[in-house]
Amino acid sequence: QKEVEQDPGPLSVPEGAIVSLNCTYSNSAFQYFMWYRQYSRKGPELLMYTYSSGNKEDGRFTAQVDKSSKYISLFIRDSQPSDSATYLCAMIRAAGNKLTFGGGTRVLVKP
Amino acid sequence: EAQVTQNPRYLITVTGKKLTVTCSQNMNHEYMSWYRQDPGLGLRQIYYSMNVEVTDKGDVPEGYKVSRKEKRNFPLILESPSPNQTSLYFCASSLSGGPANTGELFFGEGSRLTVL
Repeated sequence: QKEVEQDPGPLSVPEGAIVSLNCTYSNSAFQYFMWYRQYSRKGPELLMYTYSSGNKEDGRFTAQVDKSSKYISLFIRDSQPSDSATYLCAMIRAAGNKLTFGGGTRVLVKP
Repeated sequence: EAQVTQNPRYLITVTGKKLTVTCSQNMNHEYMSWYRQDPGLGLRQIYYSMNVEVTDKGDVPEGYKVSRKEKRNFPLILESPSPNQTSLYFCASSLSGGPANTGELFFGEGSRLTVL
């Protein structure tokens, strides 16, 4: 079983809809959580970083962490066609230096 | 412009022919790492380096070598490539202390390698 599970999609939504993405993990040692966005033929880029349970908002993006359920989410409000990409969750153990990634969810926002 | 540069971007080679994928960053980052990305498996770490002359294995180091003789460069060496090393490879770098400090890895644009 993978340490981090993520639905591969694709997830297709109309422009303006809310995109909801999530990851589950099995190792309670993970303490830091990230979401990366990857456009086709590009390297991933960091979207959100959080290290505590609860919500973190940045513009149209909200990251949610529930450590008790080992579950993290990313919400994209007012989605745009430019949000079409693969979204990867990632996490790090406390005092660790290795990111463990989920497999990524491909998102398509249709105009 | 701050960036991580990988070369070559695309390469087709044959089994057993040694190859090196170069990686260079201009951000004075101490931490550097190599990943491979495969469908359904996501990004998996091959090797990482906390600083010059300090390297360590990631999750899938078999068949790969690395060296870190200068801060800016972190080449990935495939001594005897095999078809199961056909993949998309990414180099990444981060500030001092590694990605746990800020969560941010800066990735190159990837190198697509095919081993026949």
